[in-house]
Amino acid sequence: NAGVMQNPRHLVRRRGQEARLRCSPMKGHSHVYWYRQLPEEGLKFMVYLQKENIIDESGMPKERFSAEFPKEGPSILRIQQVVRGDSAAYFCASSRDRTYEQYFGPGTRLTVT
Amino acid sequence: AQTVTQSQPEMSVQEAETVTLSCTYDTSESNYYLFWYKQPPSRQMILVIRQEAYKQQNATENRFSVNFQKAAKSFSLKISDSQLGDTAMYFCASRNSGNTPLVFGKGTRLSVIA
Repeated sequence: NAGVMQNPRHLVRRRGQEARLRCSPMKGHSHVYWYRQLPEEGLKFMVYLQKENIIDESGMPKERFSAEFPKEGPSILRIQQVVRGDSAAYFCASSRDRTYEQYFGPGTRLTVT
Repeated sequence: AQTVTQSQPEMSVQEAETVTLSCTYDTSESNYYLFWYKQPPSRQMILVIRQEAYKQQNATENRFSVNFQKAAKSFSLKISDSQLGDTAMYFCASRNSGNTPLVFGKGTRLSVIA
């Protein structure tokens, strides 16, 4: 059973470009969480999705950031018009059900130049 | 709101010795879960151990055990017989019951010295 997959592992974008981060949950998991880790910090929650629904986006910046988890395919975290402050590691986690623990992917390290 | 505090930014331990990492948390919920995650240089987040708040018995996973003091809202991690591969950042985290997000502390950087 493959773990949570994230791609790309490293992404470099110039200021003003768009960044798309992908997350494929573990087989049988329908709950996806996105977290952001700034340098020397713990992970901070951004958004929680189930298939085709955003359940909780209380940690998501109001502008430039969006997330989706379509019926088919991976979950996508999209950052428009990136700025240097968006440079961070972005982690996706998935869980099978509401009571189960979350399993993390390897993360995508975004660098904005 | 939930909060998790790790008061030790860095710690070191000699190989084969025992080390304890501290964590305190705050929540208004009666049912919640507590976790320790390890993040080695590869940056992969690895679940080390979990504890359900309603269980009085401290969780144990091989060389890793916790000291869960519910009244004090304390959740420390003890690593016995430390190994070089234990060198990593360790994050304490909590979440309320239901499919709620994890709240993380800022981490403790542990170095195991040969």
